[in-house]
Amino acid sequence: QKEVEQDPGPLSVPEGAIVSLNCTYSNSAFQYFMWYRQYSRKGPELLMYTYSSGNKEDGRFTAQVDKSSKYISLFIRDSQPSDSATYLCAMSRQTGANSLFFGTGTRLTVIP
Amino acid sequence: KAGVTQTPRYLIKTRGQQVTLSCSPISGHRSVSWYQQTPGQGLQFLFEYFSETQRNKGNFPGRFSGRQFSNSRSEMNVSTLELGDSALYLCASSFSAGDGETQYFGPGTRLLVL
Repeated sequence: QKEVEQDPGPLSVPEGAIVSLNCTYSNSAFQYFMWYRQYSRKGPELLMYTYSSGNKEDGRFTAQVDKSSKYISLFIRDSQPSDSATYLCAMSRQTGANSLFFGTGTRLTVIP
Repeated sequence: KAGVTQTPRYLIKTRGQQVTLSCSPISGHRSVSWYQQTPGQGLQFLFEYFSETQRNKGNFPGRFSGRQFSNSRSEMNVSTLELGDSALYLCASSFSAGDGETQYFGPGTRLLVL
């Protein structure tokens, strides 16, 4: 079993829809949670970063972490065609070692 | 500020050969991590270097190795290439090596092994 599980999709939504992306994890040592966006043939770009449980909002993006359920989510409001990309969740432990554990990514297409 | 740069961007090798990939971190960043990305396994951590020392290593065979230079630039080497080594190899840099440090990724080197 992988430490981080993510539905690979693909997910297609109409422009303006609310998108919900989710990951589950098994290692309770994870403390830092991130969402990356990756366009085709590009490296991942950091979208959201949260520490421990709670919500964080940045423009149209909201990240939620529920450590009791080992479940994290990314919501995209008013989705745009430019949001079409692969979204990767990532997390790391509080051990002083700078390694990230990634989900396999969800491919999102926003249809105009 | 310039981002993370990786060279070469594309590479074709044959089985049994070896390959060296290069990564230049963002100026001032001292930690460099390497990841392998494949369609089946996603992004997997290879190793991390900080101040020329390997601090952490993922679950990859010894054919995968790396090093970091005094200017924080890093190289990774794969010896005796196998078909399964075909992947996008990503380098990420951060200011320090602590967990929670924001990592910035380069565009990757796409390796094809024939």
